This record gives sequence, C-alpha cells and structure tokens, in this order.
Amino acid sequence: AQSVTQLDSQVPVFEEAPVELRCNYSSSVSVYLFWYVQYPNQGLQLLLKYLSGSTLVKGINGFEAEFNKSQTSFHLRKPSVHISDTAEYFCAVSEPQGAQKLVFGQGTRLTINP
Amino acid sequence: KAGVTQTPRYLIKTRGQQVTLSCSPISGHRSVSWYQQTPGQGLQFLFEYFSETQRNKGNFPGRFSGRQFSNSRSEMNVSTLELGDSALYLCASSLVGGLNTEAFFGQGTRLTVV
Repeated sequence: AQSVTQLDSQVPVFEEAPVELRCNYSSSVSVYLFWYVQYPNQGLQLLLKYLSGSTLVKGINGFEAEFNKSQTSFHLRKPSVHISDTAEYFCAVSEPQGAQKLVFGQGTRLTINP
Repeated sequence: KAGVTQTPRYLIKTRGQQVTLSCSPISGHRSVSWYQQTPGQGLQFLFEYFSETQRNKGNFPGRFSGRQFSNSRSEMNVSTLELGDSALYLCASSLVGGLNTEAFFGQGTRLTVV
C-alpha cells in the first residue's frame, strides 16, 4: 500500500519570496510522483511529474520538484511566488502501471500575501 | 481539444435519495477514474473503469457504484444518500493503461446532501 504525507497544511508567504511545499511518500514498490494544483471551485491541474531519470523535474508556472529516493521525498519549490499562485497543492503517487489510481496527500494551502 | 466534462456542476439532494453523476472523458481516453474530495478525508479514490469494466476499486461502501459506456463516458451512482456523502466528486480520464502517465481532471460535481 502507498501513502503520501504533506508536512504542512498551510504555508503563508510574501509575494516574490521563495516557497517549498514538502511531500513524503511511502511505498513498497517503485512509484510515479505528481504534484497537482487546485484553484477554488476547480478541478486538479497537473504541475509536474516524476517518472524516472533526472531527479529534478521542471513543471508549469515556474515550479520544480526534486525526487529524493533515500528520503522518500518529492518537495515542490518555486523561487519567486506570485499572488496568482494562491491555491491548494496536492502531492500524489501511483504505481508505474499507470495514473488511473492516484493516492493523494492531504493538501497544502499556499497563501501569498502582498 | 475538449477537456474532461462533468455534469452537473452542482447538485442538492435529500438524505435517502439517490444521485447519478456524469463524466465525459477527453476524446480517445478509455480510462475513467472517480475521486471523492471532502475537507476531512481529502481526495480518495472511488473506482476506475476501462473498456466498460471496473478495473480498480477503492474502499467505499456498495452504495457507490459506477459504469462506463461504449463511448467511454462514465456515470457514478450513489444510493441512499447520507449527509456524509456531501463532497466534490472529481472524474479523471487517461489514455489506455499500461505506461500512461497522466490523469486529466474535470471541474467536479459538488454534491450537497441535506
């Protein structure tokens, strides 16, 4: 069985400051890793994904994440946030067979203050 | 290319009633997964359909059921509604299984049970 822990339920930061959203996972098999973003009253949008290869993954909107197998982590980072980044962010894992069954973390609410 | 379409967007039902939600996947996608999102439990996998067959199932009672049609459109049904079924129900579609690596989400149906 797989599980995902997002270590912070809320992260407030000032505009143009850097941010890191933390995610740890547990699995007995290799996994694919994802970060999704959810804006109010919307569905989920994929930010980035790690399947294999380079451990540093770049996504949309200036976000990037680093896969660390020894620490079973997949933290999301952005060097300078904007007001429009205010949203809820979800880390998720799936077995390599496909993304049809995702296991999500509890989410991190990112609030950007001017 | 049209995205994943879920109808209706909002729904209010009374305890004990049943409800049917609909999901039209992206053209060419044959896998449809359903998730329940609540403030307390977060995002939880309900089930996945592929080629009109349920292929994966989460830990939900039998009141939650689904089906998929030959055109890949999917419906989920909840019978004997309970207050705790109030949630955002998200549908996601992906390409044929195997090594597919991304799930595309609809905007969801917000169900309120009163």
